[in-house]
Amino acid sequence: AQTVTQSQPEMSVQEAETVTLSCTYDTSESNYYLFWYKQPPSRQMILVIRQEAYKQQNATENRFSVNFQKAAKSFSLKISDSQLGDTAMYFCASFSSNDYKLSFGAGTTVTVRA
Amino acid sequence: GAGVSQSPRYKVAKRGQDVALRCDPISGHVSLFWYQQALGQGPEFLTYFQNEAQLDKSGLPSDRFFAERPEGSVSTLKIQRTQQEDSAVYLCASSFRDRGLGEQFFGPGTRLTVL
Repeated sequence: AQTVTQSQPEMSVQEAETVTLSCTYDTSESNYYLFWYKQPPSRQMILVIRQEAYKQQNATENRFSVNFQKAAKSFSLKISDSQLGDTAMYFCASFSSNDYKLSFGAGTTVTVRA
Repeated sequence: GAGVSQSPRYKVAKRGQDVALRCDPISGHVSLFWYQQALGQGPEFLTYFQNEAQLDKSGLPSDRFFAERPEGSVSTLKIQRTQQEDSAVYLCASSFRDRGLGEQFFGPGTRLTVL
């Protein structure tokens, strides 16, 4: 079984600034994947960024980047140059190739202020 | 359509009623998942289909929950004798690869309210 913990229920950031969301996970698997999903208000969940555990290089997608610390089982998301459209709930999730399911954290609500 | 669709988007049921929630995955996607998302929480896995085969139903909370995908495309999640604790958003997701190894694409969800 995998567990994912997000310890920040809410974060607020000024437009154009940077915000970092924390996530820790626990797994006994050696082959797993980590994800950040974004769920805007009343809209469907979309994938923001994905990291394969066997890759040492941190994934980057435009303004979104991760800090993957495998030994510490930490997977934080950095949003640079925050935009109003980044306002959403962000979920950290893990997936094992031995399992079918995504295991989600409780989420962090990010509000970008104009 | 290009994405995963779900219907109805909103459902209000009286306690004890049966409900059926529909999911239309992206055409050609092998894997289909159902998740339950309580208010302010992350989604919780319910069940997984690979084509028409239900390979994992370990997340279904009780025998009142039943899911099917008879032709390997559209799926229906049925909840019998609904209870107030069943109130949640039910999310469907699909993936083009088996075991969900590819990216999971989510639908907009069905918000179920049991009175």
